[in-house]
Formats: sequence, C-alpha cells, structure tokens
Amino acid sequence: SAVISQKPSRDICQRGTSLTIQCQVDSQVTMMFWYRQQPGQSLTLIATANQGSEATYESGFVIDKFPISRPNLTFSTLTVSNMSPEDSSIYLCSVSGTPSTDTQYFGPGTRLTVL
Amino acid sequence: RKEVEQDPGPFNVPEGATVAFNCTYSNSASQSFFWYRQDCRKEPKLLMSVYSSGNEDGRFTAQLNRASQYISLLIRDSKLSDSATYLCVVLRSNDYKLSFGAGTTVTVRA
Repeated sequence: SAVISQKPSRDICQRGTSLTIQCQVDSQVTMMFWYRQQPGQSLTLIATANQGSEATYESGFVIDKFPISRPNLTFSTLTVSNMSPEDSSIYLCSVSGTPSTDTQYFGPGTRLTVL
Repeated sequence: RKEVEQDPGPFNVPEGATVAFNCTYSNSASQSFFWYRQDCRKEPKLLMSVYSSGNEDGRFTAQLNRASQYISLLIRDSKLSDSATYLCVVLRSNDYKLSFGAGTTVTVRA
C-alpha cells in the first residue's frame, strides 16, 4: 500500500485563525479524500479532493470553510478556515487506487485543538 | 437510520478467548465491505476486506450475510494486542465512497 504522510501531526490554534494541513503520498493515486474524526466519534467524510478541479464536498461541508487543493496525483491540502473550538478534531487524509479503487488507506492524521 | 450501525461494546475478554461482533448496513445495493482497526489516537488501518463467501485471515474470520444485511468479525485466541476499536466500513454503491460505523471496542485482558 502507499505510504502517506501528513503535516502537521498536531497543532493548537486560536479561534478565528486558519490552518492548512498537507497530505503527501509516495506514489500516484487515483483518489484522495479528507475526513474528520471528532472525539469519541467515527469518521465523517468532508470531501473528495479532485486533481485539477474543485473538490467535491459532502453535505454539511462547504468550500469557504474547508478549501481543498490537489495540484497533482500525490499531494493535497485541506485548510480549516476561521476556526472555532467546534473544529477541534482529528483530520485524516486517505487515498485509494492502489492496489484497488475500493480500498482506502489513511494517513496518520492531524490532531487539531482550537482554543 | 444510520448507514452502518455497530454495537459499541466494550467487549472485555480474557486472553485466548473468542470474541465476535456484528454490524448492520442499510443500503442493500452496497457491494464492498471492510473491517478496519483503529488503535487509540492512531489512524484506521485496514484489517480485512469481507467477501461474499466469507474469508479468514489468521485468527480473524469475516462473514457477510447479504439477506440480513450484516457483517460479522470473529477473533479467535485473542491476544492483548487485539485490543482496539474495530470499524465496520461499507462502500456506498451510488458514489463509491466509504461509510463508517461508530466502531466496536474490544479489550483483551491478561
């Protein structure tokens, strides 16, 4: 499976600020996704990062709050904008397409705390 | 109704015991099913895919019952290292995105 890294691994931020999370894969992948996992909860899909076009957002998530970039097949960023304490969560990127499009593999996650 | 529902547990079992738990899914058209394992403060890791005929990987056995729309996971000869949260995951047939259950917590004690 692909090796996935995320930066930063954790951060503590002030409300009203923005944080950009990077996801890097060691090989080209078809699909990249961004998830959120709030404390004690399961994973919720935020959006699909599309290479060369705008991300596809799930219900309840909007581009102004979570802008996403995917400039190539190995890299994506998620920005959490104008943060509030409710944004405190773990943010995970995942990839699929290697070896199959059905199976997803996850990055180590970014633990965000908003004060 | 949630797309994927799991018994949250926790299941507390002694080393060497067998533990089994299920999850149910709501979309009868779902095609692919997985069990992921998530350790505390770590990312989910794929444990195994679940095939229609059922499949086994070492001490882990997964079963799929399409008629009743449930998936099961059985762990034999439990080890302390099996302590984790097990996530039931279903691939949505309409858009090929994953739906996650809330997870079943298993604690294996010495």
